[in-house]
Amino acid sequence: KNEVEQSPQNLTAQEGEFITINCSYSVGISALHWLQQHPGGGIVSLFMLSSGKKKHGRLIATINIQEKHSSLHITASHPRDSAVYICAVSLRSARQLTFGSGTQLTVLP
Amino acid sequence: SQTIHQWPATLVQPVGSPLSLECTVEGTSNPNLYWYRQAAGRGLQLLFYSVGIGQISSEVPQNLSASRPQDRQFILSSKKLLLSDSGFYLCAWSLGDFGNTIYFGEGSWLTVV
Repeated sequence: KNEVEQSPQNLTAQEGEFITINCSYSVGISALHWLQQHPGGGIVSLFMLSSGKKKHGRLIATINIQEKHSSLHITASHPRDSAVYICAVSLRSARQLTFGSGTQLTVLP
Repeated sequence: SQTIHQWPATLVQPVGSPLSLECTVEGTSNPNLYWYRQAAGRGLQLLFYSVGIGQISSEVPQNLSASRPQDRQFILSSKKLLLSDSGFYLCAWSLGDFGNTIYFGEGSWLTVV
């Protein structure tokens, strides 16, 4: 069983829709990261969370430590949001990130 | 501000040839440095990490090696490439362990033919 599970694997939305990507993990973590990978391959760190909620522009990330669950929300989605979104956790027991399998988001105009 | 550069961006190498990918970080000191590989259609896999000059930890047995000759320089190498080494290689850095934000390089696409 993967320690980090993401859903959905693929998501297609119309421009303007509200989008939610979910991430669940099964072990104790020190932090959770949301990453964005563009079609060219480059990866950008969107958020790092250890509790609560963070907002940056149209992106919102939340984490519930008790439920071992995090969500990434995109409001008023736009075609330029099309990318792979990856959830990654830093385990308390290891000096590395454990990655989810990613969610391929396509926003249609 | 901190930046990370990785090169080359793309390379096609024959089987058995050597490899050298280079990564440099600017604007910070004593970063933790990482090399990841992403095979086609798969997630990111940690290959090596380094917490200081000359200190390299390998996460998976493989045909590759890493070196950190300077504080902000991280090199991924191979003496003889295999077809299975093809993939997308990413360098990354963070301050301390992953309780801090991680920053990725632009990535290097390697095709072994």
